[in-house]
Amino acid sequence: GAGVSQTPSNKVTEKGKYVELRCDPISGHTALYWYRQSLGQGPEFLIYFQGTGAADDSGLPNDRFFAVRPEGSVSTLKIQRTERGDSAVYLCASSFMQGSLETQYFGPGTRLLVL
Amino acid sequence: QKEVEQDPGPLSVPEGAIVSLNCTYSNSAFQYFMWYRQYSRKGPELLMYTYSSGNKEDGRFTAQVDKSSKYISLFIRDSQPSDSATYLCAIRTQGGSEKLVFGKGTKLTVNP
Repeated sequence: GAGVSQTPSNKVTEKGKYVELRCDPISGHTALYWYRQSLGQGPEFLIYFQGTGAADDSGLPNDRFFAVRPEGSVSTLKIQRTERGDSAVYLCASSFMQGSLETQYFGPGTRLLVL
Repeated sequence: QKEVEQDPGPLSVPEGAIVSLNCTYSNSAFQYFMWYRQYSRKGPELLMYTYSSGNKEDGRFTAQVDKSSKYISLFIRDSQPSDSATYLCAIRTQGGSEKLVFGKGTKLTVNP
């Protein structure tokens, strides 16, 4: 079956520009997560949606980062006034309950390069 | 101190070797312990998970959690070249936010 998909797979932009990254979760998954993975590091949590609302946005680094999930399915991560330090792989995951554990399934990521 | 510490390696072993991967963590509230495998330019995929202390075995893979020492391990028996990937430990609390806290990942290469 279809997994989590993310578009674009790669994005190159210039410092100061605005970018949008899209995530299509697995059908039926109510929870959606965004993580950021820098080179040589593990993924770092950004934001978590349960349905349409952001249940936990404590990982967003500053107010240049914003994410929405207006219909409880597709989500968009928006980054304003991009900086070189924003360059990373942005991972999306969606989840359902497996036994007592909510299993998160990851997409392939969007590789963002800010020049 | 980071919440989860993991030796990034890299680790290179011959085919057939037993591999031991480890993480330590600082927050005693963590209850769920997971290992993810990440191939190059792919997203992480869940390999195994355990709840609280003890061992869990799945084929060639064994996950071990020691909550008293805040130490988790993944053992791979009879390692194969296809096991070459980055292995990430991930930990979560029970209740509250469902976010995962990841280690840095250990890059493993199994040489034929």
